[in-house]
Amino acid sequence: RKEVEQDPGPFNVPEGATVAFNCTYSNSASQSFFWYRQDCRKEPKLLMSVYSSGNEDGRFTAQLNRASQYISLLIRDSKLSDSATYLCVVNEVQTGANNLFFGTGTRLTVIP
Amino acid sequence: DAGITQSPRHKVTETGTPVTLRCHQTENHRYMYWYRQDPGHGLRLIHYSYGVKDTDKGEVSDGYSVSRSKTEDFLLTLESATSSQTSVYFCAISEGNTIYFGEGSWLTVV
Repeated sequence: RKEVEQDPGPFNVPEGATVAFNCTYSNSASQSFFWYRQDCRKEPKLLMSVYSSGNEDGRFTAQLNRASQYISLLIRDSKLSDSATYLCVVNEVQTGANNLFFGTGTRLTVIP
Repeated sequence: DAGITQSPRHKVTETGTPVTLRCHQTENHRYMYWYRQDPGHGLRLIHYSYGVKDTDKGEVSDGYSVSRSKTEDFLLTLESATSSQTSVYFCAISEGNTIYFGEGSWLTVV
């Protein structure tokens, strides 16, 4: 069983649409959670951290449900520039070193 | 920008040859990491370092070695490259519990 599981998509949505991605993780001791964005042939870049209370950054909202071990990302008013792969990342910090587990990513294409 | 540079960015090599990838950081980060990314697997940790000369294995360390003789440089060596090591390799540093990646090194083993 994978540590982090995501729907690989692809999600093809029109501009202006709202789209949601989900992710589940297997280790209940996981300590911190992130969404990364990765463009084709580029490095993953931090999009946002995910907090238990939920957090928002402009058009992006992230939610964490520790009881269900579930993380979500909501993108409102999708833009063409949002087209990318979104990686769900879970961190199990061990003795100082970060121990990250990555989902395989959900691919989003925003269509004009 | 986390101040990470990787070299070479692209390399084609032959099976059985040794290959070294270099990761250089300019911001004195203690922790450095090497990951590989392959379709269907996501990013997987190869090795990491928690200081000069302090390294440890990750999930997929077989066939790889690392060295860190200076804080700023973390080298990944493929001792005898195989076709299964064709991949994109990302170096990373951590600030607190957040990881930042270099631009990647694309390696093809033929």
